[in-house]
Amino acid sequence: AQSVTQLGSHVSVSEGALVLLRCNYSSSVPPYLFWYVQYPNQGLQLLLKYTSAATLVKGINGFEAEFKKSETSFHLTKPSAHMSDAAEYFCAVSYYGNNRLAFGKGNQVVVIP
Amino acid sequence: GAGVSQSPRYKVAKRGQDVALRCDPISGHVSLFWYQQALGQGPEFLTYFQNEAQLDKSGLPSDRFFAERPEGSVSTLKIQRTQQEDSAVYLCASSLVSGEQNTGELFFGEGSRLTVL
Repeated sequence: AQSVTQLGSHVSVSEGALVLLRCNYSSSVPPYLFWYVQYPNQGLQLLLKYTSAATLVKGINGFEAEFKKSETSFHLTKPSAHMSDAAEYFCAVSYYGNNRLAFGKGNQVVVIP
Repeated sequence: GAGVSQSPRYKVAKRGQDVALRCDPISGHVSLFWYQQALGQGPEFLTYFQNEAQLDKSGLPSDRFFAERPEGSVSTLKIQRTQQEDSAVYLCASSLVSGEQNTGELFFGEGSRLTVL
């Protein structure tokens, strides 16, 4: 079964510092990979996705993620955290022709001024 | 509509009551999904519709859970004889495309938070 691992439920980062959220997937088949963000009292929204094109994917709000097959990883980064980045971030995986998304447990990001 | 709309946003039910949660997807979206998100967890897949056809209901946790989308637009998730373990946020998502074209770009509603006492 497809699965996604996100370590560390709460992540604190100083304003202006690097944001790094780790995501590893378990699969021998190349997947589609996604990061979704959930701001307080809002629905999940797509941040970025990897669908077997370029391995470095750029998303909204300055976020990017790199697909590394050898490490089965899809870590999310942003060079400089902003207060507005405080939210919950979910990594998710699906496969071609399969509509089901499998989500990780999420990372609650807190930005410290 | 402009986005996926879910109602009610909050529902408190006594154990044993039946509840119905409504999802109004983005107009013209073919695919509709229901997810369950327990506290501190990521969303878990419940069921999937392509238009009015329920193509996958393998994630429904028991036969007390039932979903329908009779006209291929609005969907209702019904939970019969609610139990405390049903307490969660129920998320609805829709997608413009279906099948192999669906690369996971889903549009989510804000969710319906169900608390069973």
